[in-house]
Amino acid sequence: DTGVSQNPRHKITKRGQNVTFRCDPISEHNRLYWYRQTLGQGPEFLTYFQNEAQLEKSRLLSDRFSAERPKGSFSTLEIQRTEQGDSAMYLCASSLVQGIFSGYTFGSGTRLTVV
Amino acid sequence: DAKTTQPNSMESNEEEPVHLPCNHSTISGTDYIHWYRQLPSQGPEYVIHGLTSNVNNRMASLAIAEDRKSSTLILHRATLRDAAVYYCILRDSDNAGNMLTFGGGTRLMVKP
Repeated sequence: DTGVSQNPRHKITKRGQNVTFRCDPISEHNRLYWYRQTLGQGPEFLTYFQNEAQLEKSRLLSDRFSAERPKGSFSTLEIQRTEQGDSAMYLCASSLVQGIFSGYTFGSGTRLTVV
Repeated sequence: DAKTTQPNSMESNEEEPVHLPCNHSTISGTDYIHWYRQLPSQGPEYVIHGLTSNVNNRMASLAIAEDRKSSTLILHRATLRDAAVYYCILRDSDNAGNMLTFGGGTRLMVKP
């Protein structure tokens, strides 16, 4: 297992278009998280899944955002009708929650630029 | 999660020890102290975490004050590859989602 994989690494899209990002977590990890990071800021939590269930969504996750994790494996994050303010790095992380929490493993992110 | 305060930036010389401070005066008894770092163009990377006792691993050491209101991440011998943003994060062990709330972090610059 090579860690958390995110695709694509970069995405440039025109305002108003829809985009979808994919995250492949570490296979035995049962939790998957999405974060967003803008330049010069720390990552901000968007949502998380335990297996296939989406258990929490941040207020940052507007109606234009939707995330899925079918079958509790990979996850997708879709942004509809993109706006320039959506330009950011979108980070995925996974963790195994069994007893003691031991930390997240992050992917390298998908950098979205909305023009 | 309780808030942490870190310096915006720090400088270090290569091959010297680095002490990165973090204040968390409102820490609760169930908060773990986590440290992550983020290298340029990468996602954050787990470094270390602890509750009360000092912790050591292959990457760093974590020194926790007796009252737990502050902690220090220690890099024993900085290398150029340690240049990154270091985040100190408190996570409530009772937080069912285990979410991490990142602040602004400390940007560490390492001079050759």
